[in-house]
Amino acid sequence: GQQVMQIPQYQHVQEGEDFTTYCNSSTTLSNIQWYKQRPGGHPVFLIQLVKSGEVKKQKRLTFQFGEAKKNSSLHITATQTTDVGTYFCAVRQGAQKLVFGQGTRLTINP
Amino acid sequence: DGGITQSPKYLFRKEGQNVTLSCEQNLNHDAMYWYRQDPGQGLRLIYYSQIVNDFQKGDIAEGYSVSREKKESFPLTVTSAQKNPTAFYLCASTEGPGLADTQYFGPGTRLTVL
Repeated sequence: GQQVMQIPQYQHVQEGEDFTTYCNSSTTLSNIQWYKQRPGGHPVFLIQLVKSGEVKKQKRLTFQFGEAKKNSSLHITATQTTDVGTYFCAVRQGAQKLVFGQGTRLTINP
Repeated sequence: DGGITQSPKYLFRKEGQNVTLSCEQNLNHDAMYWYRQDPGQGLRLIYYSQIVNDFQKGDIAEGYSVSREKKESFPLTVTSAQKNPTAFYLCASTEGPGLADTQYFGPGTRLTVL
């Protein structure tokens, strides 16, 4: 089945530093979704990428989908304490299943 | 206010007991899902249902059972056959039947087996 590797598993930064998490697949993806889960909370949908090379921005967050549609990244510019949480990518497996990456847990030193 | 509700938020159970976790949605979504999340881990699919009175096993269905008698409700029973049930359980729904659609999650139930 579809597997997706997400790195790094943990990332600790100083407030104001940038942060990037990567999602990699050995096979071509139809699309990729990103979710954020705050500590003690539930995952919340951030965005979906569909097109090869697609780049989408949400304020300080930049999402990219690779040209070969086998990888994706989420970049946060100038992190703030509100960015703390775990970021998950999720990819489609077949017609009916969504497979989540292991997540990247972001902690921030204020 | 539309959304997904899960109850209870915290649940304690003695070993050998069955327990049922509630999930209700008023989003009029077709499909509903149950995931399990262990500390520091991603989400693993337990069961999903695309329409009323129908459901399919996910990746880790052993020791769990579900029902979908109403569109808005998808309760999950954790049976005594589940070897390691302590986890965070998340219910989700999608507007259409495709699991690859955007998932809307409930607040979760944290189950601890004593």
